[in-house]
Amino acid sequence: AQTVTQSQPEMSVQEAETVTLSCTYDTSESDYYLFWYKQPPSRQMILVIRQEAYKQQNATENRFSVNFQKASKSFSLKISDSQLGDAAMYFCAYLKGGADGLTFGKGTHLIIQP
Amino acid sequence: DSGVTQTPKHLITATGQRVTLRCSPRSGDLSVYWYQQSLDQGLQFLIQYYNGEERAKGNILERFSAQQFPDLHSELNLSSLELGDSALYFCASSKSGNTIYFGEGSWLTVV
Repeated sequence: AQTVTQSQPEMSVQEAETVTLSCTYDTSESDYYLFWYKQPPSRQMILVIRQEAYKQQNATENRFSVNFQKASKSFSLKISDSQLGDAAMYFCAYLKGGADGLTFGKGTHLIIQP
Repeated sequence: DSGVTQTPKHLITATGQRVTLRCSPRSGDLSVYWYQQSLDQGLQFLIQYYNGEERAKGNILERFSAQQFPDLHSELNLSSLELGDSALYFCASSKSGNTIYFGEGSWLTVV
């Protein structure tokens, strides 16, 4: 079974600085996708960024970028120029190619210090 | 707004009762997923439907069932409710199966 591990229960960063959230996963599949979801206090699950395993290029979405290391099965999220609105729980998730559901890590609570 | 609509947003019911949660996927999405988020279990995948057919099953209890209708909306039925079923239930949808968008969730409290 696939597992996703987020080893940082909580992270804190000053506004405007950069923070990196860690995620590792375990799978024997070759076709899969990785995601970061943001869950603010409203509890809505918001897709932040997506990475296809077959792509070597790291995904970026504005201030959000990932460092995808397939060999070591790590998938970290970098948030640049942190803003107060970035404060939330961040979940790393894995999806096997084809039919299946997302496997989530336990989340990292990100605090933005003004 | 993800485009996935869930009702009701909040629900309080008694142990032993049965409830139905409803979900309308994003326009054009054929896949619907149900997830449960609780304090002790975290986020768990329950079940996936694709164009009316069950496609994948996760950690769904036998007391729970789901279906997807011809208009693609889906319902999750929870029966013989227990205190431990109190959770946030998410519906999500996808067009291609590799990008999944979530609704705002239905808060279920069992008392």
